[in-house]
Amino acid sequence: KQEVTQIPAALSVPEGENLVLNCSFTDSAIYNLQWFRQDPGKGLTSLLLIQSSQREQTSGRLNASLDKSSGRSTLYIAASQPGDSATYLCAVRGSGTYKYIFGTGTRLKVLA
Amino acid sequence: NAGVTQTPKFRVLKTGQSMTLLCAQDMNHEYMYWYRQDPGMGLRLIHYSVGEGTTAKGEVPDGYNVSRLKKQNFLLGLESAAPSQTSVYFCASSSPDRGDYEQYFGPGTRLTVT
Repeated sequence: KQEVTQIPAALSVPEGENLVLNCSFTDSAIYNLQWFRQDPGKGLTSLLLIQSSQREQTSGRLNASLDKSSGRSTLYIAASQPGDSATYLCAVRGSGTYKYIFGTGTRLKVLA
Repeated sequence: NAGVTQTPKFRVLKTGQSMTLLCAQDMNHEYMYWYRQDPGMGLRLIHYSVGEGTTAKGEVPDGYNVSRLKKQNFLLGLESAAPSQTSVYFCASSSPDRGDYEQYFGPGTRLTVT
């Protein structure tokens, strides 16, 4: 059974710092992995999606990498800003399934 | 293009009452999902649908029913609400058209069962 873990659960950093959020999964037979952002009381906004055949995806200051063999994905945020403060979630879709399994998220606070 | 919308945004129910949550998407997506989000537990899949007229169980289907009579709508029903169903409910949709099945989420429904 696929399990998805995000460590740390919470993180505070000063503005301008580059940071890495981690996502680990137990079954490497995945179709894709998606990173989301969730603001308090809001829905999820898709940030990046990495297919199983890809190593990384970039969007602006965000870069997501995928290492299937080690069961890990990282979300790199460059030059963090207070507006980046939110909860970041990763979700994994297994091969041969329509279902996504979510991690419990990392709550990020960027201090001005 | 509204994306994924959910109705209602908030609801308070008494134990034993019933209600239906509506999810609508205007992106012509084939797949639709219902999740619940609870503190410390992340999002858990309740039911999903891979096309009009189809439904399937997710991780936590007990106490819920769903219907997908039209491609754009996915309904989640609670027949006899229990306090354990107090949660935030999210609907999502995705499409195989681009080959990536990227999920798009609605804003959520906050349900309290007293």
